[in-house]
Amino acid sequence: DGGITQSPKYLFRKEGQNVTLSCEQNLNHDAMYWYRQDPGQGLRLIYYSQIVNDFQKGDIAEGYSVSREKKESFPLTVTSAQKNPTAFYLCASRFPGPGELFFGEGSRLTVL
Amino acid sequence: AQKVTQAQTEISVVEKEDVTLDCVYETRDTTYYLFWYKQPPSGELVFLIRRNSFDEQNEISGRYSWNFQKSTSSFNFTITASQVVDSAVYFCALSLNSGGYQKVTFGIGTKLQVIP
Repeated sequence: DGGITQSPKYLFRKEGQNVTLSCEQNLNHDAMYWYRQDPGQGLRLIYYSQIVNDFQKGDIAEGYSVSREKKESFPLTVTSAQKNPTAFYLCASRFPGPGELFFGEGSRLTVL
Repeated sequence: AQKVTQAQTEISVVEKEDVTLDCVYETRDTTYYLFWYKQPPSGELVFLIRRNSFDEQNEISGRYSWNFQKSTSSFNFTITASQVVDSAVYFCALSLNSGGYQKVTFGIGTKLQVIP
């Protein structure tokens, strides 16, 4: 079945540690996105990539980094520079243009 | 600037009642797209509908219907005869072209609880 797989589903980390969230899709989508979801704030865009080897900052990119070496993969690293990393992270993808986004099931990161 | 307002943060209804989720958007662009997504407890957002700015025709899909009114910049979502399985967070979103990229802005979501 085609879809988006995010891992891990739950992740705990200590302050000062970097952590990488995985996002893999087999939908043959060119565009991929990372969103952060916090209670009462909806979804906010962290980074997006429209093609391989290219990505752009979204609205809240500080403290995060990404790579897009393969079409299928768009991992997100939450660095120690992110001041408040505890959140629910959602990865999405779609074909170029104004079509609908396809989402993964999310990764919940908790910083202890 | 683009903005989506979902004024209702939480709604509770009894099963079989009708419920309308409000969405008001702001944009100066004449070409844009509006979406509704459903987020069940599993966390994954599921696409429900897309509307472009040139198509104000309302749409019905089973128990779901959408009312798009450009005059009031609203794109409201009605669930008829609600069911427990409709319990979820619903997001309205606005997509428009920003420098060759489709920038999507989400509302904060409306949490719907359907009580049996």
